[in-house]
Amino acid sequence: DAMVIQNPRYQVTQFGKPVTLSCSQTLNHNVMYWYQQKSSQAPKLLFHYYDKDFNNEADTPDNFQSRRPNTSFCFLDIRSPGLGDAAMYLCATSRDGTAIGYGYTFGSGTRLTVV
Amino acid sequence: AQKVTQAQTEISVVEKEDVTLDCVYETRDTTYYLFWYKQPPSGELVFLIRRNSFDEQNEISGRYSWNFQKSTSSFNFTITASQVVDSAVYFCALSGANTGNQFYFGTGTSLTVIP
Repeated sequence: DAMVIQNPRYQVTQFGKPVTLSCSQTLNHNVMYWYQQKSSQAPKLLFHYYDKDFNNEADTPDNFQSRRPNTSFCFLDIRSPGLGDAAMYLCATSRDGTAIGYGYTFGSGTRLTVV
Repeated sequence: AQKVTQAQTEISVVEKEDVTLDCVYETRDTTYYLFWYKQPPSGELVFLIRRNSFDEQNEISGRYSWNFQKSTSSFNFTITASQVVDSAVYFCALSGANTGNQFYFGTGTSLTVIP
């Protein structure tokens, strides 16, 4: 089935050690998003790629970066994870640049623990 | 400003009871979309419904129903004859025509259905 796949489901990293989370999609959607969801909170958009164009939310910390080498893959890099970065990270895709469009699809998420 | 309020943080019901999850929103957009997502313990966000601002018809899908009232800026979600599998966190979300790339999520309502 066409879907959004996030690997790994659970990631443990050390304080300050760079970590990369991955997301792949078989939907051929041109937009890919990364959300951060801390415990008992709503998901918060970090940034998104519209094709190759990167769009950062104004309040996303510089510690968070993203790469999209091709249509199917998108990576979230955390350069120096702090304890406050422990969260569920959700990848999503959409066919166009609007949430109101059809087919806005979330992956299952990667739960990041920082020790 | 876009804002979604889910005043109920946690709800517990006994199996087979009906339960209503409240959602109140604020937006200055005349065209906007409202959503409900389910997040089970496994973490993925599961799409339940999308409703546009011009369609105030209530909708029923099996045991689920939604009541959209623009006059009170509410988009409430009712589960009839609840089941244990309904236990999850439910998010209401808003996307406006002028904020296309992201959802504004409420803080979620954690529903526990007790067998």
